[in-house]
Amino acid sequence: GQNIDQPTEMTATEGAIVQINCTYQTSGFNGLFWYQQHAGEAPTFLSYNVLDGLEEKGRFSSFLSRSKGYSYLLLKELQMKDSASYLCAVRDAGNNRKLIWGLGTSLAVNP
Amino acid sequence: DTAVSQTPKYLVTQMGNDKSIKCEQNLGHDTMYWYKQDSKKFLKIMFSYNNKELIINETVPNRFSPKSPDKAHLNLHINSLELGDSAVYFCASSPLAPSSGRAPYEQYFGPGTRLTVT
Repeated sequence: GQNIDQPTEMTATEGAIVQINCTYQTSGFNGLFWYQQHAGEAPTFLSYNVLDGLEEKGRFSSFLSRSKGYSYLLLKELQMKDSASYLCAVRDAGNNRKLIWGLGTSLAVNP
Repeated sequence: DTAVSQTPKYLVTQMGNDKSIKCEQNLGHDTMYWYKQDSKKFLKIMFSYNNKELIINETVPNRFSPKSPDKAHLNLHINSLELGDSAVYFCASSPLAPSSGRAPYEQYFGPGTRLTVT
């Protein structure tokens, strides 16, 4: 079967660093996405990893280890506006256009 | 504005009614999707069309019927609405090939349609 696991909820303090983990067991692998979704809004693209290693984009970084079926999203210098749900999704190897989604991690940033 | 748009944004209706949700994208993308996001926030793929051809058809009741008149439009018609259909429905689109600096098959989402069945 296909399965993606993320923590349900996390809390962190403004200015701190938080790491959101995602583990996946899928029949194939063809890339991993991270999306951000604020309450009542649409998901928006944050990052994409297809090779092992770290991809950095401003305050956000994403890491992938294909051998471990593991990724994390690292958010630095947290701001209140980073309070949102963070969704991990794996591209289905059998159908490039299909994403297999995790349930999302709801992050609350406190002052 | 270049974007994915959906109408209506909110839809309140009674059980047993038939309703449609419309989606349009002006991004020039070839592939469009319908997702259902329930109260637990799980994003479930329902259908996908590539240039008017159905390419993803997940286990969805046949009361749900997508229609793609052209590659820029994907509509969703729902017959005999049930309480369990209450959710937010998102339309999304993705390009066939990534543009510079973008991820392959990166999906762009519309604002969502909140459907409430009473």
